[in-house]
Amino acid sequence: DTAVSQTPKYLVTQMGNDKSIKCEQNLGHDTMYWYKQDSKKFLKIMFSYNNKELIINETVPNRFSPKSPDKAHLNLHINSLELGDSAVYFCASSQVAGYTEAFFGQGTRLTVV
Amino acid sequence: SQQGEEDPQALSIQEGENATMNCSYKTSINNLQWYRQNSGRGLVHLILIRSNEREKHSGRLRVTLDTSKKSSSLLITASRAADTASYFCATDADSWGKLQFGAGTQVVVTP
Repeated sequence: DTAVSQTPKYLVTQMGNDKSIKCEQNLGHDTMYWYKQDSKKFLKIMFSYNNKELIINETVPNRFSPKSPDKAHLNLHINSLELGDSAVYFCASSQVAGYTEAFFGQGTRLTVV
Repeated sequence: SQQGEEDPQALSIQEGENATMNCSYKTSINNLQWYRQNSGRGLVHLILIRSNEREKHSGRLRVTLDTSKKSSSLLITASRAADTASYFCATDADSWGKLQFGAGTQVVVTP
């Protein structure tokens, strides 16, 4: 069974469109995260939710909106996509935030054309 | 801003050799973690070392942590072609699990 799964794996879309990436974890973890990896492989945290509550919101354009319907799911919605949004987006979860390791999904490669 | 800096950026070795990579960071931490990323894949956790620990082992992996120098090293012994990947250190400095990653070391192990 996949621990942290994201869909879709690849997403190609035009500028200005709105898209969503879904993430689910079956590990029973309370904390989930979204990270962005740019073309130089640099990873930066975007958001973190603990038991459906937003706890980390880095300097991210408000076109990005995370939504956590329950503690096993954390979706990422992006409005008005821009070329600079092209990146790989990773969902992750951890059992105890700040204390245990993170488990990452396989990533969603977003290409904005 | 980037918390961790890995050194070297790239490393090319032959199977059977050891690979060592270093990570330096800027602020005090709760723990430091090492991850591996194979090309086109997600990150896989390797080792977590807490700020009060100095060394940790897992199979062929050995991690050291020197909080006075704000640095860590990852040693992979007897490397295999399957160890070819990018290796990232990540520091956890707060109570919310916010990992700050370095730029990674790309390791290529040739048969």
